[in-house]
Amino acid sequence: GQNIDQPTEMTATEGAIVQINCTYQTSGFNGLFWYQQHAGEAPTFLSYNVLDGLEEKGRFSSFLSRSKGYSYLLLKELQMKDSASYLCAVRSGNYQLIWGAGTKLIIKP
Amino acid sequence: EADIYQTPRYLVIGTGKKITLECSQTMGHDKMYWYQQDPGMELHLIHYSYGVNSTEKGDLSSESTVSRIRTEHFPLTLESARPSHTSQYLCASSDLAGDVDTQYFGPGTRLTVL
Repeated sequence: GQNIDQPTEMTATEGAIVQINCTYQTSGFNGLFWYQQHAGEAPTFLSYNVLDGLEEKGRFSSFLSRSKGYSYLLLKELQMKDSASYLCAVRSGNYQLIWGAGTKLIIKP
Repeated sequence: EADIYQTPRYLVIGTGKKITLECSQTMGHDKMYWYQQDPGMELHLIHYSYGVNSTEKGDLSSESTVSRIRTEHFPLTLESARPSHTSQYLCASSDLAGDVDTQYFGPGTRLTVL
């Protein structure tokens, strides 16, 4: 079957750095997305990786290793507003998105 | 970024009622999607559409229907609501012509069936 694994919950301190991991097993691969979802709100797009390596966008960076079926989202200079769930989604061989259950990130002062 | 609108935002109804959740987008995106999401859980695809007069079933489609008569409009209908339908319903759209095909989401409809 197809599945995506992320930690259920992580805690970090304001101003620090946190890395959220995502591993996947899918039938084919056509890109990996990271979304942010605040409680009770809709997901918002953060980043997209289709080739191996690091994509940097401000305080957020996303890394992909296709051979390992692995990605991570790196958040720097954490702010209280970064408290949210972070969803990893993989576009499989038939171009459907397979979603992880998300990692709830708690930021403490 | 896409502008996607969903109505109603909140809905409480009784068992057995027929309901239609509305979704509209103003960016002319070809593809549209309906997802169901319970708190802390992954998104489950209900239906999707590649364009006008195109609809496809996702994982949870058996108790609902959709239509795509206009590019901008993609309503979801539950013929007979049940308590198990209580959930958050998210509509999304993406641009088929784009390389990335990123999905952009509406604000969601939180449905409670008593």
